[in-house]
Amino acid sequence: DAGVIQSPRHEVTEMGQEVTLRCKPISGHDYLFWYRQTMMRGLELLIYFNNNVPIDDSGMPEDRFSAKMPNASFSTLKIQPSEPRDSAVYFCASSLALTGIIPPKANYGYTFGSGTRLTVV
Amino acid sequence: AQSVTQPDIHITVSEGASLELRCNYSYGATPYLFWYVQSPGQGLQLLLKYFSGDTLVQGIKGFEAEFKRSQSSFNLRKPSVHWSDAAEYFCARPINAGGTSYGKLTFGQGTILTVHP
Repeated sequence: DAGVIQSPRHEVTEMGQEVTLRCKPISGHDYLFWYRQTMMRGLELLIYFNNNVPIDDSGMPEDRFSAKMPNASFSTLKIQPSEPRDSAVYFCASSLALTGIIPPKANYGYTFGSGTRLTVV
Repeated sequence: AQSVTQPDIHITVSEGASLELRCNYSYGATPYLFWYVQSPGQGLQLLLKYFSGDTLVQGIKGFEAEFKRSQSSFNLRKPSVHWSDAAEYFCARPINAGGTSYGKLTFGQGTILTVHP
């Protein structure tokens, strides 16, 4: 498996422009997560999906941020309009479902993509 | 609230010395726990995980961690550190989303490891 694939790796854009980040999760994974990492705030969960349905978007900072998962193999995180304070590394991660009853499968774990480094100037 | 805490922001060790990175968890009988490593400019890589059973778990790159319920800890150890181990290390746990299902992964603040030659 190629792992979680994110694109682009780097994005530089001007303030006010729309930015779209893309993620392809591992095939068969039930959950998809979007995280943001900055020096000041560390790793923050923005939103996560279960079976393509958004479950918790309480971490999305503002209405300028939106995320979609139209199918099990693709998700996008969009910022419109972008601002300099949005500059960060954005990570996508995916995982299998986990319950407290059925022991986790041996290969259970959250797998992260390599991230998209976004710079808004 | 279910959380993990890493008390040490930055640790410096000499190459060849032993290493222990601390992680404490709160709330939860037997949490699921993970350690991730992030090298500069890279994503997060899973080092090891604990679900249940044997409290000493082995991971990749020669790392191990021990789950201690009495201390609410899951410390990461390595007997002899290599210069390539310099990175940031994160302890993490999935959060119970209600009932028996788990959802998001929450992270500790991270510990930056510097290795001196």
